[in-house]
Amino acid sequence: GAVVSQHPSRVICKSGTSVKIECRSLDFQATTMFWYRQFPKQSLMLMATSNEGSKATYEQGVEKDKFLINHASLTLSTLTVTSAHPEDSSFYICSARVPGNSNQPQHFGDGTRLSIL
Amino acid sequence: AQSVTQLDSQVPVFEEAPVELRCNYSSSVSVYLFWYVQYPNQGLQLLLKYLSGSTLVKSINGFEAEFNKSQTSFHLRKPSVHISDTAEYFCAVRNYGGATNKLIFGTGTLLAVQP
Repeated sequence: GAVVSQHPSRVICKSGTSVKIECRSLDFQATTMFWYRQFPKQSLMLMATSNEGSKATYEQGVEKDKFLINHASLTLSTLTVTSAHPEDSSFYICSARVPGNSNQPQHFGDGTRLSIL
Repeated sequence: AQSVTQLDSQVPVFEEAPVELRCNYSSSVSVYLFWYVQYPNQGLQLLLKYLSGSTLVKSINGFEAEFNKSQTSFHLRKPSVHISDTAEYFCAVRNYGGATNKLIFGTGTLLAVQP
């Protein structure tokens, strides 16, 4: 089945550091990828939709200058948390949908646990 | 706009007992429905989906869900749970059509299976 790989799985860094998270579709090409944020014991909140070759679409309230998204190829999207602060600590999950029919389900990466000290 | 309601934040159940996790949705258009499972510190795995056709859908590990259009529900059931079923379960909905239509999640239900 479709596989989405996310790297790294865990990041611990100092406040002010920028952190890049990679999301790869391993066995299919994904023109669209999604980035979610999940707080402890809460649901997934969509942050942005990443579109290959064009600008990402951000959800209301998400700072696009804070969370930079690049979707440079059909198999890779990156999320960069710029100048991260403790309040950015969270579980970030990416997903991608197999192209073709719009009824295809989304497949998720294993997530990245980001801890800012 | 769509929304998904999972009324039960946590469902404790004994091993080998049956369980039902409730999911109701709201949408003005036709939707696709999904159940995802999340184990601790992991991403989400697709458990089952309703796209069209038969309203009863089943997974390979014994879960099933039934789409009820009149009640706008998509409850998840399993006749006999195992310890290994302990996880967070998310119901999700997406509108028909459009490759970038958003997947909207419920708040999740923690299934806690006790020996």
